[in-house]
Amino acid sequence: QKEVEQDPGPLSVPEGAIVSLNCTYSNSAFQYFMWYRQYSRKGPELLMYTYSSGNKEDGRFTAQVDKSSKYISLFIRDSQPSDSATYLCAMSVYNQGGKLIFGQGTELSVKP
Amino acid sequence: KAGVTQTPRYLIKTRGQQVTLSCSPISGHRSVSWYQQTPGQGLQFLFEYFSETQRNKGNFPGRFSGRQFSNSRSEMNVSTLELGDSALYLCASSLEGRKELFFGEGSRLTVL
Repeated sequence: QKEVEQDPGPLSVPEGAIVSLNCTYSNSAFQYFMWYRQYSRKGPELLMYTYSSGNKEDGRFTAQVDKSSKYISLFIRDSQPSDSATYLCAMSVYNQGGKLIFGQGTELSVKP
Repeated sequence: KAGVTQTPRYLIKTRGQQVTLSCSPISGHRSVSWYQQTPGQGLQFLFEYFSETQRNKGNFPGRFSGRQFSNSRSEMNVSTLELGDSALYLCASSLEGRKELFFGEGSRLTVL
């Protein structure tokens, strides 16, 4: 079993829809949670960063962390065709520097 | 502010050869991490360098090595290439003590 599980999709939604992306994890030592967006043939781009549990909002994006359930989510409101990309969750423990454990990524397509 | 720069962007090698990839981090970032991305395994951590010292290492064979220079630029080397080494190799930089990694666009290696 992988430390971080993420449904690879693909997920297809109409423009303007609310998108929910999720990851589950097994390592209770994870304290840092991130979401990255990766366009085709590009490197991952950091979208959201959360420490420990709770919610964080940035424009149309909201990240949620539920450590009791070992479950994190990313919500995208008013989705746009430009949001079409692969979304990767990533996690880290306190003392492992730049070592992130990534989910497999969810491929999202927003149709006009 | 310039982002993370990786060279070369694309390269083709044959089995048994070796390859060296280069990474220039964001100015002021002293931590550099390397990741391998493949369709089957996703993003996997290779190693991290800080102040010219390897600080963390992933579960890759000794054929994969790296180094960091005094100006924080980093290189990774893969010797005795195998077909399975075909992947996108991503470099990321971060500020000391921060978990947010900023990725370059990657070097796409094809081994024939």
